[in-house]
Amino acid sequence: AQRVTQPEKLLSVFKGAPVELKCNYSYSGSPELFWYVQYSRQRLQLLLRHISRESIKGFTADLNKGETSFHLKKPFAQEEDSAMYYCALRLWTSGTYKYIFGTGTRLKVLA
Amino acid sequence: SQTIHQWPATLVQPVGSPLSLECTVEGTSNPNLYWYRQAAGRGLQLLFYSVGIGQISSEVPQNLSASRPQDRQFILSSKKLLLSDSGFYLCAWSPGQLYEQYFGPGTRLTVT
Repeated sequence: AQRVTQPEKLLSVFKGAPVELKCNYSYSGSPELFWYVQYSRQRLQLLLRHISRESIKGFTADLNKGETSFHLKKPFAQEEDSAMYYCALRLWTSGTYKYIFGTGTRLKVLA
Repeated sequence: SQTIHQWPATLVQPVGSPLSLECTVEGTSNPNLYWYRQAAGRGLQLLFYSVGIGQISSEVPQNLSASRPQDRQFILSSKKLLLSDSGFYLCAWSPGQLYEQYFGPGTRLTVT
């Protein structure tokens, strides 16, 4: 069965420290993975997608098919990074794309 | 530009009462539409998705149902609410074959 696992409910780091939000997936097909973010009082929005291999707001994520992981990383955390982060797997089924989200990790960046 | 609306923003309903949450999308046609529930400790759970008018797929057996009476309208309903239906309900759309989902502002439902 397809599944996305985010093992940490809460991650607290100090400003300037490195951040790694973990995401593991279970899927027999070719995975398409995304990170979504929800800042306080804002809508859930796309942060980055693995296929673009881009860096957004200093965040990067590399798809590791061997470890079935898509961890989100940032070398130096900022206070404005505090938010809820969701990892998502997109798959094609029954004529449409469907997303499976992880349970989310709340990142708190401390001053 | 495309926008997505959800109504109402908050709702308090007694157990056993009916429910109707509305989601509408503007500025696009034939979107894929999704209903999610965001519950504490459980993250984002896909409830229903729709690829066209009258086409609804259900992801989990539950007390809820969904309908798509118009191309850009997606409704989440219940005949009798349960306490466990409390949560934050998010509607999202995606432009078919492309990658991103766009989320609405959500509806906070409290069943008392």
